[in-house]
Amino acid sequence: AQSVTQLGSHVSVSEGALVLLRCNYSSSVPPYLFWYVQYPNQGLQLLLKYTSAATLVKGINGFEAEFKKSETSFHLTKPSAHMSDAAEYFCAVSQGGAAGNKLTFGGGTRVLVKP
Amino acid sequence: GAVVSQHPSWVICKSGTSVKIECRSLDFQATTMFWYRQFPKQSLMLMATSNEGSKATYEQGVEKDKFLINHASLTLSTLTVTSAHPEDSSFYICSAGRQGDTEAFFGQGTRLTVV
Repeated sequence: AQSVTQLGSHVSVSEGALVLLRCNYSSSVPPYLFWYVQYPNQGLQLLLKYTSAATLVKGINGFEAEFKKSETSFHLTKPSAHMSDAAEYFCAVSQGGAAGNKLTFGGGTRVLVKP
Repeated sequence: GAVVSQHPSWVICKSGTSVKIECRSLDFQATTMFWYRQFPKQSLMLMATSNEGSKATYEQGVEKDKFLINHASLTLSTLTVTSAHPEDSSFYICSAGRQGDTEAFFGQGTRLTVV
């Protein structure tokens, strides 16, 4: 079984400030971890993924995340928020391999960027 | 590459009618497709896993007879909401898995409104 917990359903940041979105997971096998962004009435866009290679993963739009096995965490950060970062962010986990790309999502975090 | 197209983007139907949503992988063969449901301001919940040429695997609590899934080819899966009711109104999103890839590719989503 696997699960994902995102701490904070809403995050408000000022433009230019650090964005930090928290994600903790549980998985019975080494996980694959993902961060997605969703804009209103749209599908999901992959920001980055961890698949057992480097623990610090860099993604698109200046985002990065660090896999910490000891903390079962995969927090997402961006040094400087832009107005265009206002969206919903989802952390997800899969078991990969024979389980394919079946994802379990966290509850999501809505990011508001203040000018 | 790895584009998934979902159609329609939005649909309004009357109670009691059926609605079909298509999910196509445009430039790859998808051995597995997944259907998710997303209520407003909530996360994505997996409804079913669709494998080409076999019966779909439904998650606990999802009515098989209400949400009919057909995966007739390696590039097309359909979700039919039968005898739709207002409580079926939601955002439905599909994703497709490509063999050997750790990432799932998402369609744009379909907004279903039952009136």
